[in-house]
Amino acid sequence: RKEVEQDPGPFNVPEGATVAFNCTYSNSASQSFFWYRQDCRKEPKLLMSVYSSGNEDGRFTAQLNRASQYISLLIRDSKLSDSATYLCVVNVGPYSGGGADGLTFGKGTHLIIQP
Amino acid sequence: DTGVSQDPRHKITKRGQNVTFRCDPISEHNRLYWYRQTLGQGPEFLTYFQNEAQLEKSRLLSDRFSAERPKGSFSTLEIQRTEQGDSAMYLCASSFTNQQFFGPGTRLTVL
Repeated sequence: RKEVEQDPGPFNVPEGATVAFNCTYSNSASQSFFWYRQDCRKEPKLLMSVYSSGNEDGRFTAQLNRASQYISLLIRDSKLSDSATYLCVVNVGPYSGGGADGLTFGKGTHLIIQP
Repeated sequence: DTGVSQDPRHKITKRGQNVTFRCDPISEHNRLYWYRQTLGQGPEFLTYFQNEAQLEKSRLLSDRFSAERPKGSFSTLEIQRTEQGDSAMYLCASSFTNQQFFGPGTRLTVL
């Protein structure tokens, strides 16, 4: 089983619609959770961290369910510029030096916003 | 630009040659990471430094790969005797907290 699993899509969504992505992770010791955005042939860019209490940043809402080991991202009022690959990311390691501190990425979900 | 920088941005080499990539992290970041990304996949962790100490290496990092961060600032990643399977984007990231920021990557093509 892959450590972080995402539906690769593509998700074709009309502009203005709401779209939701999910991912699951296998390591219950995971401590930090993120969504990154990656445009074609560019580096991943941090979109937002994900907390158990849920967090919102403008049109983006992220949620973490530790019991189900499940992370979600909701995009409201989608824009053409939201077209990208969205990477679900977890960090197992303690932030204390040593140990596993590298990020584990899913394969990404490809989103296409259509005019 | 105060972000993470990487050099070169593109490298084409012949199988069997050695290549070296450089990463300059954000200046106040003490942690530096190397990842590899192939088409259709998410980045895969290779290795990690805290200051000059290399604290973790992935099993993906074969004996042909070596990374250094001699003064706790910039880092180099060397691949010896390159193989076609080494063709990928090599990404560097740095952090001070648990949030990592990525450089633009070095795209390696091994012919």
